[in-house]
Amino acid sequence: EMQLVESGGGLVQPGGSLRLSCATSGFYFRDSYLHWVRQVPGKGLVWVARIMRDDSDTDYADFVKGRFTISRDNAKNTVYLQMSSLTVEDTALYYCARDGGKWNHDCWGQGTLVTVSS
Amino acid sequence: QSALTQPPSASGSPGQSVTISCTGTSSDVGAYNHVSWYQQHPGKGPRLIIYEVGQRPSGVPDRFSGSKSGNTASLTVSGLQTEDEADYHCSSYAGRSWVFGGGTKLTVL
Repeated sequence: EMQLVESGGGLVQPGGSLRLSCATSGFYFRDSYLHWVRQVPGKGLVWVARIMRDDSDTDYADFVKGRFTISRDNAKNTVYLQMSSLTVEDTALYYCARDGGKWNHDCWGQGTLVTVSS
Repeated sequence: QSALTQPPSASGSPGQSVTISCTGTSSDVGAYNHVSWYQQHPGKGPRLIIYEVGQRPSGVPDRFSGSKSGNTASLTVSGLQTEDEADYHCSSYAGRSWVFGGGTKLTVL
């Protein structure tokens, strides 16, 4: 069974940094592309970033370019999201999702909550 | 990228059918057949129910179907059941990025 488990969320002040982790199991991680998607509770989903097989091939939503970095550790089956220069608008539940190979997201974690507040 | 447009709510009685629309642009929904739909129950992560406009992953009941015309995609849920009450989100590939809709809350009356 495929599983993704996010961690690392919490309360951070505006301008601060945070690193999210997503530990995976149940599928061949090295060949899988991974995404981060966020959701303000009660609102819609918003795509944040994607990483393909290595750290050199990544894509980002315009609103996080230069502030967030997605990376992966194939030895640990884990994907990360390093977030910096955080603003209150970054407050959301952050989900990790696996790319299903048909431009979709076929398995999701339960999310980790990031709250940016002074 | 702007979010896809979905109605905030939809409803139907058990056994009925309901259709949820998802309107994008010629840069996303209209440009690619890479439209997906996700079901999300309260407090849970999303679940993929439709991909590539109208394909269902294994385990998803055939009561769920998808279609697309121009810049608008649609999800139809036939034979509504109480467990179908959830939020539904559409998504489209938009060229090395993805765009989602605002979500539709489906109520089974």
